[in-house]
Amino acid sequence: GAVVSQHPSRVICKSGTSVKIECRSLDFQATTMFWYRQFPKKSLMLMATSNEGSKATYEQGVEKDKFLINHASLTLSTLTVTSAHPEDSSFYICSANSVSSYNEQFFGPGTRLTVL
Amino acid sequence: TQLLEQSPQFLSIQEGENLTVYCNSSSVFSSLQWYRQEPGEGPVLLVTVVTGGEVKKLKRLTFQFGDARKDSSLHITAAQPGDTGLYLCAGATNTGNQFYFGTGTSLTVIP
Repeated sequence: GAVVSQHPSRVICKSGTSVKIECRSLDFQATTMFWYRQFPKKSLMLMATSNEGSKATYEQGVEKDKFLINHASLTLSTLTVTSAHPEDSSFYICSANSVSSYNEQFFGPGTRLTVL
Repeated sequence: TQLLEQSPQFLSIQEGENLTVYCNSSSVFSSLQWYRQEPGEGPVLLVTVVTGGEVKKLKRLTFQFGDARKDSSLHITAAQPGDTGLYLCAGATNTGNQFYFGTGTSLTVIP
């Protein structure tokens, strides 16, 4: 199956700093990538849909100035959490859309963000 | 917005028992996927169902897509401790470009 990587896997930062998370599709090109947020033992909440070369589409309630998404190439999307606060602590997961008849998506391993 | 409701939310059973997880929605989906996720890792795709009424089997797991493509079920036969995890259904919109996850079912299989 297709492989998606995320970096870093864990990050701890001080309140007020910005954190960048990278999502890469390693063996396929992904015109669309998705960013999710997940709380412990809860489901994934879609934050935004990232399209290569265009602005991301954010879900209702997600601050686009807070969570900056850039999709500069067909294999890389980045999520930057700006001016992070403790309430931003969460598990962030990206996925990439594999262009097939079923539009299957493949997930990265996730990034655990802890804001002190 | 959670378009897909899963039940039960939590399930703890003994090894060898059978179980069924349900995924329900009032929306129609072009396809529906089931994932299993372990703590600290990303979800792993188990199956994709596309056709209304479709049934797929993956060893001890049986997946069914509702005739109207609004709901799905996952049945596990003779559960094993290795089946423990968070099970998620996800529906793709008719454009096929966006996925919405169910509320999740946390399964614990006790040896």
